[in-house]
Amino acid sequence: DIQMTQSPSSLSASVGDRVTITCRASQGISNYLAWYQQKPGKVPKLLIYAASTLRSGVPSRFSGSGSGTDFTLTISSLQPEDVATYYCQKYDSALRTFGQGTKVEIK
Amino acid sequence: EVQLVDSGGGLVKPGGSLRLSCAASGFTFSSYAMNWVRQAPGKGLEWVSSISAGSHYIYYADSVKGRFSISRDNADNSLYLQMNSLRVEDTAIYYCARDAAAAAGHDYWGQGTLVTVSP
Repeated sequence: DIQMTQSPSSLSASVGDRVTITCRASQGISNYLAWYQQKPGKVPKLLIYAASTLRSGVPSRFSGSGSGTDFTLTISSLQPEDVATYYCQKYDSALRTFGQGTKVEIK
Repeated sequence: EVQLVDSGGGLVKPGGSLRLSCAASGFTFSSYAMNWVRQAPGKGLEWVSSISAGSHYIYYADSVKGRFSISRDNADNSLYLQMNSLRVEDTAIYYCARDAAAAAGHDYWGQGTLVTVSP
């Protein structure tokens, strides 16, 4: 089975900082990758699909890139409301494995 | 407005059974594949199972295969998860989640229902 590994597991950054989260697949998954945001005590929310397509309504400071095995989620200017845990998920096959999550906090 | 309402969670002993339900509204339920995703307390998300729009294709995570059974009733706009032989490690919030177009992620989620498996 393909494993999804995110790094770092947590990070602390200042408001306005550029934040990058990495997701690595153990085998190639083309661009079949989604990113989710889960704020504390809330339901996960789909941010990006097809590795780089921003879902309607998601702020443009979020962006995704990558293909094959290496993917990134970037927040261009971190805002207080971005405090959350972010997950990647592959959907190249029926087994929709999630990464272990990256917790983003404000310094 | 798309709505998914999860129910059926509760406290059950190891080896017991529970049936979760997800009531869907605000979209043509019969046109979308659906999923169950769970989250153990303080842990990350784990995809559990999926079912295609017409129930022809069903898949499970290895951790639940042979114990859980997903089903749906398109006439009633409902999704189900029958959970048997429950283990302590099945304790989690269980969310139903709709597949986006082209199965590109899960675009709508229920509020979740808590399943606690404890002696």
